[in-house]
This record gives sequence, structure tokens and C-alpha cells, in this order.
Amino acid sequence: GESVGLHLPTLSVQEGDNSIINCAYSNSASDYFIWYKQESGKGPQFIIDIRSNMDKRQGQRVTVLLNKTVKHLSLQIAATQPGDSAVYFCAENWGAGGTSYGKLTFGQGTILTVHP
Amino acid sequence: NAGVMQNPRHLVRRRGQEARLRCSPMKGHSHVYWYRQLPEEGLKFMVYLQKENIIDESGMPKERFSAEFPKEGPSILRIQQVVRGDSAAYFCASSPLQGSSNQPQHFGDGTRLSIL
Repeated sequence: GESVGLHLPTLSVQEGDNSIINCAYSNSASDYFIWYKQESGKGPQFIIDIRSNMDKRQGQRVTVLLNKTVKHLSLQIAATQPGDSAVYFCAENWGAGGTSYGKLTFGQGTILTVHP
Repeated sequence: NAGVMQNPRHLVRRRGQEARLRCSPMKGHSHVYWYRQLPEEGLKFMVYLQKENIIDESGMPKERFSAEFPKEGPSILRIQQVVRGDSAAYFCASSPLQGSSNQPQHFGDGTRLSIL
């Protein structure tokens, strides 16, 4: 079936470096994408989202890029800090109007480790 | 994850017992979603509810599992006659009214269910 997946299961970076976490999706009907951060023992925490009518969206220290041609999503974290260490999930959704209506399909996750 | 409240945080049951997991959505949110997460995996959608209605239960096992979101009170995920394979973290998420743009699902910190 169609699913969301991640290229790299682990990523280690030095504090201050930029991090890039990638995600591939296969459902061309997906129209809304979200990145979540999950720390140990906690629930997913919203980072940033993007609709399919956009290619790029920026937040504080984070940028999400969407390439619909190759069905690829990436999360860029600038000046990565030890507090950014966590598991990062991309999630996709499809529904009327591109809202958060309906279920999210999550990728497997990427473990980001930031070394001081 | 402030706002979506789940309890208990940890629940231990013996095989054959019943497990009841509760979720109170964020204030103003009328949509509730339940997900299950196995260790080192992404979240898997189970069910989507609005007040007094089940909208999508495509991810729910056909037997032993049920969910409700009554007019008053929290949403309940109920697992009857639990088996060891039910051991997992169960997360609840909520979102505002359907049709709200750029409103992602916000998650609670989950209930860790352990079956002895």
C-alpha cells in the first residue's frame, strides 16, 4: 500500500551544524504534510507543516521543503542544538481542502543525535 | 504537548483484563484521533472521532477494540480481553473544527500499556 518513509534512520551532527532530515512519500493525493519531534517518553510535538500548494515554508530555525515532482519532503534545522536530539517523524494527510481532517500516516522516524 | 491530556500515563493489565484509556482534547477542539505506537516505529492511525460520532475507524482491530467520544467527558479507548500484543504506547491527538486551515493535530503524552 502507499506509505510515508524515511531515507535515513539515524543522523548524528555536531552542535551548531545544520541538520537535514529527509522523507519520501508515495501517495500523490497527499496535500498536507507535518513534521513532528518526539522525545523519549513523550508524545509527538508539532514542528512545522506545509500544504501541497507550497514548496517551502520557514519557521524559527526550521525549514520544510516539499518537492512534489519526486514526492520528497525535508526538514532543515539550522544551528542544531543538543536539545534538538529526538526522533523526527514526517506525516502526511489527504482530505477535503487540505486541512487536518482525517488520519495522518506517519513515517518510521529518524533519530537525530546532536553532540556538544 | 500541553493541552491534550491522557490518563493514565502507564497502565499494567493481565491477559484477559480490560484496559480503558482516556483522552481530554485541547480546549476548543472537537476532533479526536487515536494512534498506536510500537517501539522504534511510527504512529499508526486507529480511529477518528467527533463528539458522539465515529468518523473513521479504519485502523481499529475488528474485535476487542472500541472507542467513544461522548457529548460530555473525555474520549475513551477501550480494549477488552487484552493480549500481550496489545502492549504499546497509545496516543491521542486533537484538532479544531474541520475546515480550519493550517491546524495540525496536537498530541498528548500517551498511555504506555503493558500486558503481563
